[in-house]
This record gives sequence, structure tokens and C-alpha cells, in this order.
Amino acid sequence: GAGVSQSPSNKVTEKGKDVELRCDPISGHTALYWYRQSLGQGLEFLIYFQGNSAPDKSGLPSDRFSAERTGGSVSTLTIQRTQQEDSAVYLCASSLTRGEQYFGPGTRLTVT
Amino acid sequence: SQQGEEDPQALSIQEGENATMNCSYKTSINNLQWYRQNSGRGLVHLILIRSNEREKHSGRLRVTLDTSKKSSSLLITASRAADTASYFCATDGAAGNKLTFGGGTRVLVKP
Repeated sequence: GAGVSQSPSNKVTEKGKDVELRCDPISGHTALYWYRQSLGQGLEFLIYFQGNSAPDKSGLPSDRFSAERTGGSVSTLTIQRTQQEDSAVYLCASSLTRGEQYFGPGTRLTVT
Repeated sequence: SQQGEEDPQALSIQEGENATMNCSYKTSINNLQWYRQNSGRGLVHLILIRSNEREKHSGRLRVTLDTSKKSSSLLITASRAADTASYFCATDGAAGNKLTFGGGTRVLVKP
């Protein structure tokens, strides 16, 4: 079946602009996660959605970052007033139960 | 911040040799997982070991977990050029389902 998909695969934006990154999780997966990976580094947790519960936003680095998950499926990560330090690969994952997470291919964001 | 530290940061071996990498973490966990990443993009889940397990095997992979030392190891036996990738450990703590990743080990398997 289809895996986790993300769009766009690459995004180049100017400093100060807003960007939206999209994640389509595996159908039926109740949990959705956003991570960020800077060049040559491990993954940094950003936000976690589980069903209808309030999201865990504890990893968001600043109030310029926000995310929504509509209808328990698609999620959008929004970064407002982008800065150069926001440049990274943004990875989305979904899972059915606690345990293995299925990752999308990521969106590479470059802020110039 | 990252919970785990991985050691070594990079590893270069010949095809057919074994590759061993280690992961240490700081807080109590429900489970520990290992992932592989090719070309800096999506991660692929390799194996999950629960906190009450000490060793687990999957094909050429062997994972150990020592909760008293808060450490885990991943052994890849009879490595192949296709095993060239970055390997990350990730812990799922008691506080929730989010994963906390280590910095990764870059493995190069030379043919």
C-alpha cells in the first residue's frame, strides 16, 4: 500500500517568507509526527498528533512554527517569517500503535 | 535536544565484515528502535527492542539492550555494500510516543 508522502520534496524560499509543508500519513494511522533534521545531524522532534487528543507541541522551536492535522489525516507544518536556521529536512512519520514509525521522504527546506 | 549518543560517529569496513555500533541514552524507556537512513532522506525501521528484552535478532541484525547501563548495540553481520547508510537509535520514553534520536553512525561498506 501507499506509504507516507510529503510535499513538496524541495522548497527554496527567501528569508522572511512563510512556508507550508504537507504530510499525507498512511491511511488509518492515528498518530502523526513531525521531525526536523539539520545537515549531518540526528532527528529533532517537533510535534505529535494522536487521534483527537491535544497535540504534543513540546518540540516546536519557536512560535513561528505551527502545525495542524485536519480530519485526523493530512497535516500541514507552517513556518512563518522563515530564518536561515530553519533550513533543514522536515520529516513526517505516522504510526498505528506505539512502536514502529513509518517515515515519509522528507521536505528539504532551504532559506536563502 | 538529543537523548542518545551514538558511537562511533562513522565506521568504514570491508564487505563481509561485521559492523557494530552503540547507542547510549539518559532516561527510562519503553522501547528502543534502530532506523536506517539512505541519502539523508526517509528513515526505514529496522528493529524494535522492548525495555524488558535483552537481545533481538532480525536477519543479519542483532540488537542488544542493557537498561542498567542505558545502552544498546546494533550488529550487522556479513555486511554488504548495500548496507552503506546512516544508522540511528531512537528511544520511546515513558512520557509519550515521540521518538528521541541519537546523532547517528555513518557506515560505509566498501566492496
